[in-house]
Amino acid sequence: AQSVAQPEDQVNVAEGNPLTVKCTYSVSGNPYLFWYVQYPNRGLQFLLKYITGDNLVKGSYGFEAEFNKSQTSFHLKKPSALVSDSALYFCAVRDSGTASKLTFGTGTRLQVTL
Amino acid sequence: NAGVTQTPKFQVLKTGQSMTLQCAQDMNHEYMSWYRQDPGMGLRLIHYSVGAGITDQGEVPNGYNVSRSTTEDFPLRLLSAAPSQTSVYFCASSYVGGPDSPLHFGNGTRLTVT
Repeated sequence: AQSVAQPEDQVNVAEGNPLTVKCTYSVSGNPYLFWYVQYPNRGLQFLLKYITGDNLVKGSYGFEAEFNKSQTSFHLKKPSALVSDSALYFCAVRDSGTASKLTFGTGTRLQVTL
Repeated sequence: NAGVTQTPKFQVLKTGQSMTLQCAQDMNHEYMSWYRQDPGMGLRLIHYSVGAGITDQGEVPNGYNVSRSTTEDFPLRLLSAAPSQTSVYFCASSYVGGPDSPLHFGNGTRLTVT
């Protein structure tokens, strides 16, 4: 069975500092990895995905994520955080052999302060 | 372009009542799914469908029914509501052509069962 772990319930960062939101995964085949963001009272919005190729993936709003196969990790990063980045972030994984089911982590709340 | 539309936004039910949560998408997506979001548990898959006439269970299907008579609509039925079904429900859709297709989410239905 596939699974995702987001070890931090909350990450606090000062505006202008770099941020990292951690994610590790487990799948039986090759992983397809995703990051989503959720703002209050809204659905999830797609940020970026890793399918194959370069381990550093760039996405929306200046976010990027680094895929590490040996550590089975897919950490979300941004060089300089903004207050408007404060939201709930979800990592998700889909096995390459499973066309439909997407498994989500429990989410990490990012709080960016001035 | 409306994307994924969920109705109603809010609903309060008494234990034992039944209701249907509506979901419609206008992107011609083959794949549609229902998730519930609970604090500390992330998103859990209830049911999903890979096309009209085809549905399957996710990880938490008990107490819910679905049907898919058209490509556009994927209603979720609560047969006899229980307090444990108090949650925020999200409908999501995507192309089914490949496992790298990101999900598009509706804005959710907040359900309270008393």
